[in-house]
Amino acid sequence: GAVVSQHPSRVICKSGTSVKIECRSLDFQATTMFWYRQFPKQSLMLMATSNEGSKATYEQGVEKDKFLINHASLTLSTLTVTSAHPEDSSFYICSASGFQSSYNEQFFGPGTRLTVL
Amino acid sequence: AQSVAQPEDQVKVAEGNPLTVKCTYSVSGNPYLFWYVQYPNRGLQFLLKYITGDNLVKGSYGFEAEFNKSQTSFHLKKPSALVSDSALYFCAVRDGGNFNKFYFGSGTKLNVKP
Repeated sequence: GAVVSQHPSRVICKSGTSVKIECRSLDFQATTMFWYRQFPKQSLMLMATSNEGSKATYEQGVEKDKFLINHASLTLSTLTVTSAHPEDSSFYICSASGFQSSYNEQFFGPGTRLTVL
Repeated sequence: AQSVAQPEDQVKVAEGNPLTVKCTYSVSGNPYLFWYVQYPNRGLQFLLKYITGDNLVKGSYGFEAEFNKSQTSFHLKKPSALVSDSALYFCAVRDGGNFNKFYFGSGTKLNVKP
């Protein structure tokens, strides 16, 4: 149990376009989802926390208008990178927690590799 | 503020030898500590956690970790390393105030040689 999926796994886009990444909890209700960004050989940087049905809470330094997060249901959160630029190229990972996890752990998706040309 | 530190960027061991990946923490209140493993181009997989109880925590794939309150450490260990254990390991602490928020260490790359 506690499986989180991400789609797409890899995306290449042109500079200036927008990209949407989906994060789904497949077998549990995720009351909270997290979006992380990981640069090569570095740790995960928390970008934002989203609770189902409410606005996301962004970490300091993360542009809200750049990285749009929606958590419309207990099984789906989306991250949209708007007007993407090459510096947005990164590995984006989502995670989810919910009733099944007793708020003790997060379950991570496999990640999405974004390359902006 | 909550934080974890992983002092080693890389750990190299020979297959069959014991391994240790170090983690120290700084928290206000009771620590909730976790270890995750990441394989190339993949998300993080949960290994084990310490919430309360026995200081020695056993987890997935034969890994265990020892919680040491006096040394504020939570080192990851395995008695006999496998080549397939080669990966990136992250220690994490859960925010005591915001239970959903995790803070991750910088990661330690484990290299197990045949």
